[in-house]
Amino acid sequence: GAGVSQSPSNKVTEKGKDVELRCDPISGHTALYWYRQSLGQGLEFLIYFQGNSAPDKSGLPSDRFSAERTGGSVSTLTIQRTQQEDSAVYLCASSLVMSGKNYEQYFGPGTRLTVT
Amino acid sequence: GNSVTQMEGPVTLSEEAFLTINCTYTATGYPSLFWYVQYPGEGLQLLLKATKADDKGSNKGFEATYRKETTSFHLEKGSVQVSDSAVYFCALKAAGNKLTFGGGTRVLVKP
Repeated sequence: GAGVSQSPSNKVTEKGKDVELRCDPISGHTALYWYRQSLGQGLEFLIYFQGNSAPDKSGLPSDRFSAERTGGSVSTLTIQRTQQEDSAVYLCASSLVMSGKNYEQYFGPGTRLTVT
Repeated sequence: GNSVTQMEGPVTLSEEAFLTINCTYTATGYPSLFWYVQYPGEGLQLLLKATKADDKGSNKGFEATYRKETTSFHLEKGSVQVSDSAVYFCALKAAGNKLTFGGGTRVLVKP
């Protein structure tokens, strides 16, 4: 079946502009995660969704970052007033949840964001 | 908080050599432990996992044993191939479902 997909695959934006990154999880996966992979910080957790709610937003680095999930499926990560330090690969993952247990996280190919 | 420390790379090996990548962790409670691999130009893939002390995860000739007494989860492979060239990430999942990753170790296998 289809894996986790993300769009766009690459995004170049000017400092100060807003960007939206999209994630389509694997069908039936109710848990969705955003991570960021950057040279200076490695792989960092950003936010976790269970259904449409986000019980853990602890990794969002500033209030310029927000995310939403609608219909228990697609999620959008929005970065407002982008800064050069936001340049990174943004990874989305999803996992199956059964009987309260979260199973393996499957990762998408990522969106490479470059802020100039 | 939770953290994962793994050896820095790059690690350069000849084909058929023995590979070890050290990983140690700090966590509250009893986390699950994982190794993820990122091949050139590809996304992160789960390589193996262990969910409790003394469990051994294995896949594609790689193995790692969950050692609670030394808080370690070292990755080993007895005979590497050129196709094993990749970046390897050690990770843990404690309460709360999010993964905490180590810094990654780049492995380059030369023919």
